[in-house]
Amino acid sequence: QVQLVQSGAEVRKPGDSVKVSCKTSGYSFTSHPIQWVRQAPGKGLEWMGWINVVNGNTKSSEKLQGRVSISKDTSATTVYMELSSLRYEDTAVYYCAKALFPDDFLSASDHWGPGTPVTVSS
Amino acid sequence: QSALTQPASVSGSPGQSITISCTGSSSDVGHYNYVSWYQQHPGKAPKLILYDVSNRPSGVSHRFSGSKSDNTASLTISGLQADDEADYYCESYTTSNTRVFGSGTKVTVL
Repeated sequence: QVQLVQSGAEVRKPGDSVKVSCKTSGYSFTSHPIQWVRQAPGKGLEWMGWINVVNGNTKSSEKLQGRVSISKDTSATTVYMELSSLRYEDTAVYYCAKALFPDDFLSASDHWGPGTPVTVSS
Repeated sequence: QSALTQPASVSGSPGQSITISCTGSSSDVGHYNYVSWYQQHPGKAPKLILYDVSNRPSGVSHRFSGSKSDNTASLTISGLQADDEADYYCESYTTSNTRVFGSGTKVTVL
């Protein structure tokens, strides 16, 4: 069955960087784009960006552009999200999610990781 | 990209039907039929309940249905049940090749 397993909770100081991993299994890794979504405490979902796992092309939200980097390790069927220059307002649960259809970022995400809490605190 | 606009809360009694709206713009909801809906229970990851405006993934109850008119998409939950109490988010693909979520709606079953 499809599984997305994320790395564990992180605590960082303002200005630091954090890298969250998303290990996938149960489907053809190179067929489905992966997106990253975050949710601050008590707030709604915020789209961060996505990666085409075939060619490595990425697209991130304007708000996070320059601070977020999404990458992949095909041999490990793992996608990574790194957020730099952390601020207090980056405290959130970070989710990875697999695209519903192969080679299609237009539609929806059908499988989600459990989320990785990231706390930014001095 | 601003969040799509959803009502903060909607409530209904068991067995009733409720509808949640999701208003965007001609750059997202109004431009494509790539609107999806997610259900999120507290402390859990979102769960896909509708994609491409009105399609249900396998295993999702027929009580969930969707529609779209111009820049507004809607999710209807019929035969409201206690387990439907959750947060609901719409999501749309945009003309900038990005995605945007709605502000979220808390559904309360009275």
